[in-house]
Amino acid sequence: DAMVIQNPRYQVTQFGKPVTLSCSQTLNHNVMYWYQQKSSQAPKLLFHYYDKDFNNEADTPDNFQSRRPNTSFCFLDIRSPGLGDAAMYLCATSRGRTLNTEAFFGQGTRLTVV
Amino acid sequence: AQKITQTQPGMFVQEKEAVTLDCTYDTSDPSYGLFWYKQPSSGEMIFLIYQGSYDQQNATEGRYSLNFQKARKSANLVISASQLGDSAMYFCAMREARADSSYKLIFGSGTRLLVRP
Repeated sequence: DAMVIQNPRYQVTQFGKPVTLSCSQTLNHNVMYWYQQKSSQAPKLLFHYYDKDFNNEADTPDNFQSRRPNTSFCFLDIRSPGLGDAAMYLCATSRGRTLNTEAFFGQGTRLTVV
Repeated sequence: AQKITQTQPGMFVQEKEAVTLDCTYDTSDPSYGLFWYKQPSSGEMIFLIYQGSYDQQNATEGRYSLNFQKARKSANLVISASQLGDSAMYFCAMREARADSSYKLIFGSGTRLLVRP
């Protein structure tokens, strides 16, 4: 059974049109992450939540926002997508803030900007 | 500065043979964790194996083992008896304690492994 679910799997949006990607988890994990992965590159952390505590990476553009209304759900909002935002977006969760905690990933949402 | 370095963008291996994927890391913190993930073409990241910086023995999980050389700051993944289903991208990742207590998971650039029949 899928434990981290991302919807949709594929999203096509128009240049400049706001888009929201969603992630849900059944693991009851404290931490939820959003990563951006461009073709043949390493996943890049955009931000993460520890419970409701939001942590933004210093180099994450302002165009990217996130919401976590409850433990199970987390959303990635791209306010004005540009062509450079086309990528795979990965949501992940982990049980807490410890060194040995593995992250569980969803299947990703592949975003195309036209 | 690059925290995780994977120097092999692509690797080939013959089915049933063993293969080693290289990973070196950079940290000044004595406490850290090292992970390997597999990413098939479907996109999902699948956790394979974990090694803690204080672990005395190399981690093993089935056909996966981690060759941990702490002094050299390397954490190479060894896959024994390769199978066609092992063809995928493989990422080395590190988690270290940060001042903001966020324990961020940082990935290397990955190695694409292709298993030949």
